[in-house]
Amino acid sequence: AQTVTQSQPEMSVQEAETVTLSCTYDTSESDYYLFWYKQPPSRQMILVIRQEAYKQQNATENRFSVNFQKAAKSFSLKISDSQLGDAAMYFCAYRSAVAFTGANSKLTFGKGITLSVRP
Amino acid sequence: NAGVTQTPKFQVLKTGQSMTLQCAQDMNHEYMSWYRQDPGMGLRLIHYSVGAGITDQGEVPNGYNVSRSTTEDFPLRLLSAAPSQTSVYFCASSYLSGGNYGYTFGSGTRLTVV
Repeated sequence: AQTVTQSQPEMSVQEAETVTLSCTYDTSESDYYLFWYKQPPSRQMILVIRQEAYKQQNATENRFSVNFQKAAKSFSLKISDSQLGDAAMYFCAYRSAVAFTGANSKLTFGKGITLSVRP
Repeated sequence: NAGVTQTPKFQVLKTGQSMTLQCAQDMNHEYMSWYRQDPGMGLRLIHYSVGAGITDQGEVPNGYNVSRSTTEDFPLRLLSAAPSQTSVYFCASSYLSGGNYGYTFGSGTRLTVV
């Protein structure tokens, strides 16, 4: 079974600075997808960025980028030029791509990290 | 707007009461699922479905029932509510293949059992 670990429960960053959120995972599969979701106080789950394991190039979405280290099973999220609106809980998640069955289609989440942004 | 519609947003139940959380999606997603979110636990899978008439258990299925009579709807039933079911519940859907493989989430239901 796959596991996702977010070992830092809380982090803080100064507005306009850069912060990196860590995530590690464990799997025996070679093909999978990794995601970062943002959950602001509104509770809505918002997809921030995704990474396909077969792609070596790190995904980027505007101020958000990932550092995907497949051999190390590490998937960190970097937020550049942090804004007050970035304050939220962030979840790292894993989805298998081995076979599209029900059991393999589930998202496995880490426990989340609460990011605060200091003005 | 296309997406996942989840109702109600808030609910308070007394121990032993039953209720149904509604979930509907209009994206023709095959896969639908229910998660619960508890502090320090992340999101844990309760039940999932890969199509009409097909459901299966996730990590924490006890005390919950689901059914899927149509592609669009996937209700979650609490048979006899217990305080341990106090949580935030999310419905989420996805394509089984194709698309971006991410999930679309409903807005969540905060359930309190007293």
